[in-house]
Order: sequence, then structure tokens, then C-alpha cells
Amino acid sequence: AQKITQTQPGMFVQEKEAVTLDCTYDTSDPSYGLFWYKQPSSGEMIFLIYQGSYDQQNATEGRYSLNFQKARKSANLVISASQLGDSAMYFCAMREGRTSGSRLTFGEGTQLTVNP
Amino acid sequence: DGGITQSPKYLFRKEGQNVTLSCEQNLNHDAMYWYRQDPGQGLRLIYYSQIVNDFQKGDIAEGYSVSREKKESFPLTVTSAQKNPTAFYLCASSTPGAGLAKNIQYFGAGTRLSVL
Repeated sequence: AQKITQTQPGMFVQEKEAVTLDCTYDTSDPSYGLFWYKQPSSGEMIFLIYQGSYDQQNATEGRYSLNFQKARKSANLVISASQLGDSAMYFCAMREGRTSGSRLTFGEGTQLTVNP
Repeated sequence: DGGITQSPKYLFRKEGQNVTLSCEQNLNHDAMYWYRQDPGQGLRLIYYSQIVNDFQKGDIAEGYSVSREKKESFPLTVTSAQKNPTAFYLCASSTPGAGLAKNIQYFGAGTRLSVL
């Protein structure tokens, strides 16, 4: 079974609008961490935001916020006030506490295009 | 500047040839990782190392080998046994940690490997 599922292969948003990128995960481990990375066309992976499974509040980092719904096992990324430079691939990833050490499992990504 | 350097940026392999991808980091991280990315796909873990002189297989280790003789360096060899090596290879490093530990993985710019 897929541990990380990103159901939106591509998303489009108008500049200055907000956009939500979906991520659902599957784990039986009570301790886990969720990450979002951005991959521009250059290829390098850029860390955006992190949410721990016991964090009470949703994580925020500037224009990025994570809508964490633990019961639904979802960790959606919200980008507010989209900019042209936000056009990139976005990956959700998970680290499980008991079974995987420090390794991450990645989803297949969502290609975001910001239109002017 | 602190970071992860991957070289070369582009690499071509002939049939039956072994090639080695370089990954060097000056972030003083104990853990290092190699990922493979195929077009339109997420990242898959090849090998990882949490400490010098120790490494573990990831999900797709067949046809690859690594060494970890120095903390700063984690070279990946793509052997002739890897029949489909054309892909984008990403190296990452982090402080070691599991589960709830944030321990962000930082990535290099990647190496694109093609078969001649």
C-alpha cells in the first residue's frame, strides 16, 4: 500500500490566490513526522515545512501552512498569495518513528503552475 | 557556504561500465542518503548511512553500491548490474533522528545519469 498519496498530478492557480495541495498518509506508528518539499525545474529539493504527529497546532512557515487532520491522515499544504516563483513540483514525505529510523518516504508529487 | 555538493551534474554511462557519483557535505551531518528520481515520479531511497563506516540498503539498492569512509563523503557507484540506470540522482544529509525528530534532510543539486 502507498504510504504517501498525492492525488493531484497537476494544479493551476492564479497569482496572488491561495492553493491547497493534498497529501494523505498511511501509518500505524503513533510517532511520525510529515514534510513538504519544493522541487523547481532545476531539480534541487527545498524543504518547506514540517509537522510532528503530536503537534497540537498546524505548522506555519511564512506563506506556507500545513492543514494537519490526524484522524483523516491528511497533511495538506496551503500556499497563500501565490507567486510566479511558486511554480514547481511539490512533494509530501513522511518519517515513521519505530520502523524507518531517519529515512523518508515520498509521494509522487504535484506539479503546481502559477498563472499571471 | 555550508551545503551539499554533487558532481558531476551530468554523467553518461556506457554498457557494462561502472560509474561513481560524488556527494560531499560540509554541514557536519552524520546521516547521508541517496535517492533516485525517475521522470514524473517521487524519490526512492537507494542507500543511507547514519554514521561513518555504516550504511543500510533502501528500497531499490540492487545494482548500486556505496561507501562511507569519511563523514563528509558518501559516493554512490552505479554498477553494470543496474540495467536501467537512466535517472536523476539526489544526495541528502541530515542530523540522525527518527520519528518526531525534525531532522530536516537537505539536498544537493543532483546528477542526471544517462546511458549511451
